[in-house]
Amino acid sequence: DVKVTQSSRYLVKRTGEKVFLECVQDMDHENMFWYRQDPGLGLRLIYFSYDVKMKEKGDIPEGYSVSREKKERFSLILESASTNQTSMYLCASSPGTSGIGTDTQYFGPGTRLTVL
Amino acid sequence: GQQVMQIPQYQHVQEGEDFTTYCNSSTTLSNIQWYKQRPGGHPVFLIQLVKSGEVKKQKRLTFQFGEAKKNSSLHITATQTTDVGTYFCAGEGRASGGSYIPTFGRGTSLIVHP
Repeated sequence: DVKVTQSSRYLVKRTGEKVFLECVQDMDHENMFWYRQDPGLGLRLIYFSYDVKMKEKGDIPEGYSVSREKKERFSLILESASTNQTSMYLCASSPGTSGIGTDTQYFGPGTRLTVL
Repeated sequence: GQQVMQIPQYQHVQEGEDFTTYCNSSTTLSNIQWYKQRPGGHPVFLIQLVKSGEVKKQKRLTFQFGEAKKNSSLHITATQTTDVGTYFCAGEGRASGGSYIPTFGRGTSLIVHP
C-alpha cells in the first residue's frame, strides 16, 4: 500500500511565524501535491512538483512556498503565517504514469493548522 | 483556474434511500476520478472512468461518465451508515498559469440518518 505521511496532525502557530509542513511518500512516486481544504471550498491546489527540485504553482500559491530536495519528501512553507492560513493541509502523491491532472492521487492524513 | 462543478453540496437521506451526486465540467475531460473522505479522514481513491459513456459498479455504488465526457455521476443504492462522508470528483483542469493540474469538485457531503 502507498503510504503518505505528514509530520503533524495538529499544529498551532502564531501570526508571523515561519511554518514548515513536511510530507513523505514511500512509493517512489514522481508527483507530489499540497492542498488546503476549507469547509464548502473543497480541495484547492497550492503547489505541486513533478520531479526533484521542480515545482509549479497551483490555484492558490500566494503566501506559500515549497521545497522538494529529495524525491520522497515535499515541504510546504508558510514564510509568515497569517490567520487566513488556518486550514486543513493535505499532501498527496501520484505515480506519474499518466498526466499530472489525470493520475490517481494518494493522500496523507492531513495537518490541521491553526494560526493565532 | 478551470472549475469542476459538483452538486449538491449536502444531502441528507434516511438509511435505505438512494443517493446521487453530480459532477460537471465546461470542457471535455480525459478521465474523471471519484474519491471518498470519511469524517475526520483523508480522501481515498474510489474509481477512475476513462471512456465516453462508461459505467462501472462497486457493490452498491454506480459510477457513470457522460457521452460527451463533460459530466459524471455517482449513485449509491440503499444507503447505509457506512456510506457517510464527502464524495469528490476530480478531473484535469488548468491552473491560472496554464499548467495542467488535478481539479477537484467541492464535494457532496452525505449524511445518513438511521
